[in-house]
Amino acid sequence: KAGVTQTPRYLIKTRGQQVTLSCSPISGHRSVSWYQQTPGQGLQFLFEYFSETQRNKGNFPGRFSGRQFSNSRSEMNVSTLELGDSALYLCASSFDRSNTEAFFGQGTRLTVV
Amino acid sequence: GESVGLHLPTLSVQEGDNSIINCAYSNSASDYFIWYKQESGKGPQFIIDIRSNMDKRQGQRVTVLLNKTVKHLSLQIAATQPGDSAVYFCAENMNSGGYQKVTFGIGTKLQVIP
Repeated sequence: KAGVTQTPRYLIKTRGQQVTLSCSPISGHRSVSWYQQTPGQGLQFLFEYFSETQRNKGNFPGRFSGRQFSNSRSEMNVSTLELGDSALYLCASSFDRSNTEAFFGQGTRLTVV
Repeated sequence: GESVGLHLPTLSVQEGDNSIINCAYSNSASDYFIWYKQESGKGPQFIIDIRSNMDKRQGQRVTVLLNKTVKHLSLQIAATQPGDSAVYFCAENMNSGGYQKVTFGIGTKLQVIP
């Protein structure tokens, strides 16, 4: 059974650009959550999607957005990139919304220059 | 406000000894707590969880203890091995308005000395 797949693994963008990251959950999983991880900050929750609807949202500006497709694959988008957006973006999938056992992907390392 | 924090950012343990990683939380309404392990270059990996109505739960070589009186959570790893070297995160999950909200701690780096 394939794990959570995130693409791309690494990305370099310049300030002001926008970026789209992709996450394919484990087959059968319907809940997808996104997190930002930076040194010293730990994991910060971005948002959660279930059945193509955003169910929960963390404290991030509107530049951060996402969506989920009917096959549960999810994308997140960051517009007008800032240097501080450089981080590891992690996606986690779980079977349902209880989130007791979420499976994380390896993440996308975004560097903004 | 809500917060999940860790007492020690780095923990060095001799191979074969037991490791204890601690975590303090502030939200008494949390439903359950989760420990994750993150190795270098990888995403976090679920280790074990415990519901708020329990005070102890055991897994393979790991035990999680929950003390709701002092809002403290710990992860005990028995017979620590080099492969246990990683960053360990505690997380608390709370049902807020019908939505699940997970808050992670900053993490503790466990270094196993051979």
